[in-house]
Amino acid sequence: GESVGLHLPTLSVQEGDNSIINCAYSNSASDYFIWYKQESGKGPQFIIDIRSNMDKRQGQRVTVLLNKTVKHLSLQIAATQPGDSAVYFCAENRHSNTGNQFYFGTGTSLTVIP
Amino acid sequence: NAGVTQTPKFQVLKTGQSMTLQCAQDMNHNSMYWYRQDPGMGLRLIYYSASEGTTDKGEVPNGYNVSRLNKREFSLRLESAAPSQTSVYFCASSVDRTNEKLFFGSGTQLSVL
Repeated sequence: GESVGLHLPTLSVQEGDNSIINCAYSNSASDYFIWYKQESGKGPQFIIDIRSNMDKRQGQRVTVLLNKTVKHLSLQIAATQPGDSAVYFCAENRHSNTGNQFYFGTGTSLTVIP
Repeated sequence: NAGVTQTPKFQVLKTGQSMTLQCAQDMNHNSMYWYRQDPGMGLRLIYYSASEGTTDKGEVPNGYNVSRLNKREFSLRLESAAPSQTSVYFCASSVDRTNEKLFFGSGTQLSVL
């Protein structure tokens, strides 16, 4: 799966199937995570977020799962549609002595096959 | 409510030229950011402004300067462009610097020849 710092380029799914996009993070002190969707030629768009005091959060057709034990995050998209085709990447919020900063993964390109 | 607006959308520069990327947000956010996005790499923070009147370096600040003109506007300046600065630049804003989600502009594609 995707990692903040590693690259998993593509995922193809059939329309109507569920999609799972994975992300590994490295900093156990990170306490806030966001999934973004980026369509071609556009800026990243917020999908869903989760704080470290939660294991699961659901939105409309999307679910984010957080496993702090293995530092793993996943995005599940139910009943994937052609409009879901985009690059998805996760971001972790790390604390430092200068404040909080988001670190972004390189992204997974999701292609939905009609 | 336009969100985060960036100009220009595209720009081609010659090595050594200067330019300023403009960014404005209408969400009354305190914090603003400039990121660059390169193939095979995640978004990297260039500079940020935690609040009006303050600016700080991010992960890759060399070759750039910023100005937080007011609460709405945050500009990024390349004084002497280099080919290594060819990238897509995104401006973002958030309520503040605590754990709050970022809202992004649509990006500026910059090529330095």
